[in-house]
Amino acid sequence: DVKVTQSSRYLVKRTGEKVFLECVQDMDHENMFWYRQDPGLGLRLIYFSYDVKMKEKGDIPEGYSVSREKKERFSLILESASTNQTSMYLCASSITPSQWGTGTDTQYFGPGTRLTVL
Amino acid sequence: KQEVTQIPAALSVPEGENLVLNCSFTDSAIYNLQWFRQDPGKGLTSLLLIQSSQREQTSGRLNASLDKSSGRSTLYIAASQPGDSATYLCAARRFSGGYNKLIFGAGTRLAVHP
Repeated sequence: DVKVTQSSRYLVKRTGEKVFLECVQDMDHENMFWYRQDPGLGLRLIYFSYDVKMKEKGDIPEGYSVSREKKERFSLILESASTNQTSMYLCASSITPSQWGTGTDTQYFGPGTRLTVL
Repeated sequence: KQEVTQIPAALSVPEGENLVLNCSFTDSAIYNLQWFRQDPGKGLTSLLLIQSSQREQTSGRLNASLDKSSGRSTLYIAASQPGDSATYLCAARRFSGGYNKLIFGAGTRLAVHP
């Protein structure tokens, strides 16, 4: 079974803090994704990566950065956390490179990190 | 811009009912449509994936249909059980901005009571 793990289930931070959210997958997948999920808005793509050290902006990258130094690990960084970044953050991985083709494989999701910024 | 809408936002039914969850999308140029299940406080689990060339997919008591021309997909759950209680999300996959991506609806929160 594919396993995607996220470093924390719940996290509480203060405004202005630098926040790291970690995601690890154990299936040697090419692609990794970071989404945020807010009530009434569904999941929105923040960043994704299709290879080590490669990253692409998603739909809402402002206020976030990412790092992928190893294939299995994808980190989301909030440089200076703000209250509007309070949300559920979900990491996912998939096999097929997304930068071309139809990408018919499914994405496997981690359990999510619920981040509260005070 | 692709938008995905799910109706209803919430649904409560007695055990044993057959039910239909609806998903609509504005742009028919999709590669596939996928249905996910999300349990409270957990990530998403893929239920069914329908390619754009297909009309439906079935898995156990679940059946998903796709009508690209009308921009609609439905998830049919037969003989619902309390264990089906969860949020169901649909996502359309399309190519945009140099990569293909999933565009999610906001979900339908389902409660099946004994």
